[in-house]
Amino acid sequence: DVKVTQSSRYLVKRTGEKVFLECVQDMDHENMFWYRQDPGLGLRLIYFSYDVKMKEKGDIPEGYSVSREKKERFSLILESASTNQTSMYLCASRSGQGKAEAFFGQGTRLTVV
Amino acid sequence: GEDVEQSLFLSVREGDSSVINCTYTDSSSTYLYWYKQEPGAGLQLLTYIFSNMDMKQDQRLTVLLNKKDKHLSLRIADTQTGDSAIYFCAEGGAGATNKLIFGTGTLLAVQP
Repeated sequence: DVKVTQSSRYLVKRTGEKVFLECVQDMDHENMFWYRQDPGLGLRLIYFSYDVKMKEKGDIPEGYSVSREKKERFSLILESASTNQTSMYLCASRSGQGKAEAFFGQGTRLTVV
Repeated sequence: GEDVEQSLFLSVREGDSSVINCTYTDSSSTYLYWYKQEPGAGLQLLTYIFSNMDMKQDQRLTVLLNKKDKHLSLRIADTQTGDSAIYFCAEGGAGATNKLIFGTGTLLAVQP
């Protein structure tokens, strides 16, 4: 079974802190994604990566950066956390070919106080 | 940019059929997906349809695609209380650099 693992289920951080959210997948997928999920807004794409060291901005990249140094790991970085970044963060991975089903991690509930 | 829209809420009685609708804007989408999210869980793929198909049936699930109107629907026959969840429509291309764009999600509430 494909596994996408996010490093934390729950995080509480202070305003201004630098926050790292880690995601690891074990299926050698080319594509990896970071979304945030907010009630009534669905899943909004923050960043995605289609290969090692390759990244593209999604719909809401402001206040975030990403890192993909190895194929299996995709990190989301909040340089200076703010209260409006309190949200559920979901990581996903998919193959770059075929019907390319996306597999999701369990999510990280981040609260910025 | 790409946009995917869904109604936010649907309530049905157990045993009835549910129909969840979705509209999308990117006509170059190769695949359209339906994902299910149960409370406290991540998203799981329910079914998908290739863009050159009109319909796909998978047990209690029927997906209809109207490519001209960019409209996708998911019909759940004989809806059960275990079907209560948020349902997301998503569109994506087949290539390696293609994004996967999700809708706002529809909360399906099944009344006993």
